[in-house]
Order: sequence, then C-alpha cells, then structure tokens
Amino acid sequence: EVQLVESGGGLVQPGGSLRLSCAASGFTVSSNYMSWVRQAPGKGLEWVSVIYTGGTTYYADSVKGRFTISRDNSKNTLYLQMNSLRAEDTAVYYCARTRGTTVFFDYWGQGTLVTVSS
Amino acid sequence: DIQMTQSPSTLSASVGDRVTITCRASQSISSWLAWYQQKPGKAPKLLINKASSLENGVPSRFSGSGSGTEFTLTISSLQPDDFATYYCQQYNSFLPTFGGGTKVEIK
Repeated sequence: EVQLVESGGGLVQPGGSLRLSCAASGFTVSSNYMSWVRQAPGKGLEWVSVIYTGGTTYYADSVKGRFTISRDNSKNTLYLQMNSLRAEDTAVYYCARTRGTTVFFDYWGQGTLVTVSS
Repeated sequence: DIQMTQSPSTLSASVGDRVTITCRASQSISSWLAWYQQKPGKAPKLLINKASSLENGVPSRFSGSGSGTEFTLTISSLQPDDFATYYCQQYNSFLPTFGGGTKVEIK
C-alpha cells in the first residue's frame, strides 16, 4: 500500500528556516517524480516544487531561490528545505507522488502545517 | 505560466442533481488535465486524469470531458458523499497549475 507521511511543520518566525520530510512506503521515491503542494488556510492548492527521477528540480516562482527539494534514496524520503520564510508561506504542505512522467498527483500525504508568524 | 479558471466558485445543489463544473485554461493544454476532490481537513483525492480517464474506484457518476482550453467535470446524480471542493489541474507545462476550486454545497 502506498503511504506518504509528512513531518517537520510548526511555528517559525519570519526569516526563519524549516525542513519538511515526507516518508514514503509501498513504492520507491527515486523511481517516481515527487512534488510538494501547499494550501494556505481557506485557500486553494498551489504547486510548490517537483523533483524528477534523474534529479532535475523545478520550483514555483513564489519559492524559487528560497526552497530546495531533495530526497534521500536510502531512507526513501522526500524533503523540502524552506529558508527566508515569509508570512505568505503559511500553509499546509502536502507531498504528492506523480504518475509516470506526467505531473499529476495520484497519492498524497496527510499534510503538515507550517505557520510563519512573530 | 498557464492560468486555470474554474466556474462557478460555489455551487449549491441537492442530492440527485446533475452538476457541472467548468475549467478553462489560458492556452491549449491538449487533454493534460486532472480533477481532484477535497473534503475539509483532508488531502485532495485524484478523480480523473487526461481530461476523461476515471481513476480506479471512483464512482461512474463522475465524468470528465473537454480538450484544448475548455473542460468540464460532471456528477450525474449528486450523492451526500460528493459535497466537497473540486479542483482542476493542468500538467501540459512542466510547471503544473491548479484552478481556484469549486465548492459544492448542500442546497
């Protein structure tokens, strides 16, 4: 059974950093494109970042230069390093698996809440 | 970036109603469109990919159609479990984008 479990969210001050983790089971992270998608409170879904099987990464303009997606193949875990956090980064962050080489999301984690506030 | 516009943003309907949600893309995305259902406090659930391909286990009352820039999600007979928010998402571009969502409420 495919499962994705996020962790690492919490309260952080503006300008601070946080690293999110997404532990996967039932499939191999490195064999799939993997993404982070976020949802601000009461708002819609916003794609954040993707890492391809070969290691190529892409980012939404809103996080480019501040966030870094990565994976640890030995731990079958996806990460999102978030630096220079802003109030507008406050959201539930979901990790999501894509199907094949098309970036739509067939499995999602339960999400982890990041709150950026002083 | 490709912009996705959903309408309506809110829809009030009764059990048994036929419901249609529209999603428009700012440029042609062929059939590279997915639909998701999200309930409060839960992760989105994939319903349809490639505009009209129903995911395994999704009830057949859900259907998708369209290509190019205009797409629809139809629920043929609304059931109590279907009251939720629905999102479209394009994946024609390597930067995927979502529509703003359509909340289906009980009338």
